[in-house]
Amino acid sequence: QSVLTQPPSASGTPGQRVIISCSGSSSNIGAQGVNWYQHLPGTAPKLLIYHNDQRPSGVPDRFSASKSGTSASLAISGLRSEDETDYYCAVWDGNVGGFLFGGGTKLTVL
Amino acid sequence: EVRLVESGGGLVQPGGSLRLSCVVSGFIFSDYYVDWLRRAPGKGLEWIGRSRNRARGYSTNYAASVKGRFTVSRDDSRNSLYLQMNNLKTEDSAMYYCARTDINIFKDFDFWGQGTLVTVS
Repeated sequence: QSVLTQPPSASGTPGQRVIISCSGSSSNIGAQGVNWYQHLPGTAPKLLIYHNDQRPSGVPDRFSASKSGTSASLAISGLRSEDETDYYCAVWDGNVGGFLFGGGTKLTVL
Repeated sequence: EVRLVESGGGLVQPGGSLRLSCVVSGFIFSDYYVDWLRRAPGKGLEWIGRSRNRARGYSTNYAASVKGRFTVSRDDSRNSLYLQMNNLKTEDSAMYYCARTDINIFKDFDFWGQGTLVTVS
């Protein structure tokens, strides 16, 4: 069981907006920047969001994120079939002295 | 173009050892933190360990699940990162990835390799 809690699954129809949550604690999300990754097994994971809400170049602005207290969320708007894959939040934990990943959310585009 | 290429994976018996390599190109390796991560079949991404850059004395950190068994090292002259894995367990079976971190802008794992598969059986 992950210290960072994500819903195991999420779904939406094409064009919809989906939000994936990530809940942590004061030693991780509450103190450090949150990152979000997209990973299709068999391929290299991809950085979607870093430092809470920053989007790397090349990532569509359909992807956005925010943080409040000890929780963070990733929003995907204008849902597309190619968004159907796994999403992870990750953050450094000062107590643990290492990076923590959420358990992952499998997004299904209906 | 930033590239990270892992190698060294394979089949090993429980209790055995394996050394993974990650060769990078397209950026100044000594300026960056580099990490090892993995994803086991049917499970999520897991961070394993970090090597900080030259400015930070190449210090390392490890996940509790591998501490004492795995060692991260690097050779900046060869643009290479290594993961020495000892006393391997069946639960270490996974795809192993190396990834780069630009700590100056808090950009963790901004580029990843394609991975190398480790099977402990």
